[in-house]
Amino acid sequence: QLQLQESGPGLVKPSETLSLTCTVSGGSVGSSIYHWAWIRQPPGKGLEWVGKIFYLGDSVYTPSLERRATIFIDASKNEFSLKLSAVTAADTGVYFCARLGAGLDYWGQGRLVTISS
Amino acid sequence: DIQMTQSPSSVSASVGERVTITCRASQYIDGWVGWYQQKPGRAPKLLIYDASSLHSGVPSRFSGSGSGTDYTLTISSLQPEDSATYYCQQSNILPTLFGQGTRVEIK
Repeated sequence: QLQLQESGPGLVKPSETLSLTCTVSGGSVGSSIYHWAWIRQPPGKGLEWVGKIFYLGDSVYTPSLERRATIFIDASKNEFSLKLSAVTAADTGVYFCARLGAGLDYWGQGRLVTISS
Repeated sequence: DIQMTQSPSSVSASVGERVTITCRASQYIDGWVGWYQQKPGRAPKLLIYDASSLHSGVPSRFSGSGSGTDYTLTISSLQPEDSATYYCQQSNILPTLFGQGTRVEIK
């Protein structure tokens, strides 16, 4: 059974870089079938697509975050990561990692990240 | 940029009733639509992919339909455990987008 688990700091200061890692078990991020994605959800609001990456390293981001977001994959550790630079309070929320096949079929439980000094 | 308009924003229905949620895209999206259920404090769960394919393990009372720009999620007979927020998602045109969400409540 595939499992994904987000990890990383729950509190980040404004203007700093948010860093989260998604560790995958029961499957391989090196699969040529799937993409791996990050989605976030501000408190009390809806889902927002952040971006996705393929095992070869090709990544695509939502335009509003493209200048600040980087997703990269580490097949040796079977994990993929998100870095979001120059964060503000608007970046506060729960960050989910997920596998993208025909739909986002497996999700992590989510990691709450608060941007505050 | 493509827009996804989901309606209604909330619906209240009795157990056994039929519930329909709609997503309209501002551009043709060729059936690349997914539907998700999210309960408070939990990660979303995939219900439907490719507009009408039922994800493994999802009860058959959930169904999806649509084509072109208009897509629908139907719960044929609402159950108490279906109380949740539902989201559509398009992945045909970048950027991938979610709808605004529909809160389904049980009367």
